[in-house]
Amino acid sequence: DTGVSQNPRHKITKRGQNVTFRCDPISEHNRLYWYRQTLGQGPEFLTYFQNEAQLEKSRLLSDRFSAERPKGSFSTLEIQRTEQGDSAMYLCASSQDRGLAKNIQYFGAGTRLSVL
Amino acid sequence: AQSVSQHNHHVILSEAASLELGCNYSYGGTVNLFWYVQYPGQHLQLLLKYFSGDPLVKGIKGFEAEFIKSKFSFNLRKPSVQWSDTAEYFCAVNPYNAGNMLTFGGGTRLMVKP
Repeated sequence: DTGVSQNPRHKITKRGQNVTFRCDPISEHNRLYWYRQTLGQGPEFLTYFQNEAQLEKSRLLSDRFSAERPKGSFSTLEIQRTEQGDSAMYLCASSQDRGLAKNIQYFGAGTRLSVL
Repeated sequence: AQSVSQHNHHVILSEAASLELGCNYSYGGTVNLFWYVQYPGQHLQLLLKYFSGDPLVKGIKGFEAEFIKSKFSFNLRKPSVQWSDTAEYFCAVNPYNAGNMLTFGGGTRLMVKP
């Protein structure tokens, strides 16, 4: 499978714990995005990387959230001191900045987080 | 900040009925426009996109959308739906040269009765 891969698919945690999600983009894609989707809503943008540089961050990304893409390939999203309001589907997408598919974002299946 | 409105939250149709899902956005400049579909249990998939040129764009599975700049709209249409079109449909906007984030509408859940 050469699509966007996200792990784990599901994560259940207790309030106050830290969680980390991983995203592996499509191999030739240099742009990577994180979104959050709650029930009955469309995805909301969290942050975006061009290679290893984090270029945009939404105001939704509180201090408890941090994202990295250290080698410009996979990315991790960490949530510290989780709260029940963090329960959502966390989506990763990737795109390339040139060619016919420029600026088309391809999405992974997401990581569903449940905070108890 | 830009916003995207999908006025139909739930739509129920019988097979062979025609479909039109509304999408309006609030951004005055040049935009890239997308429709994504999410079938039950699957990830978001691109249905079609508009970047420039002919405002009537055709996508996969017989879907098309028309960009009407004066109305800030990008409505999705299909002449004859099938049971397999049951899914959630999301309109998304990316303002040109304003970053790479997509702003999504709230989605429209379509159910097609066989």
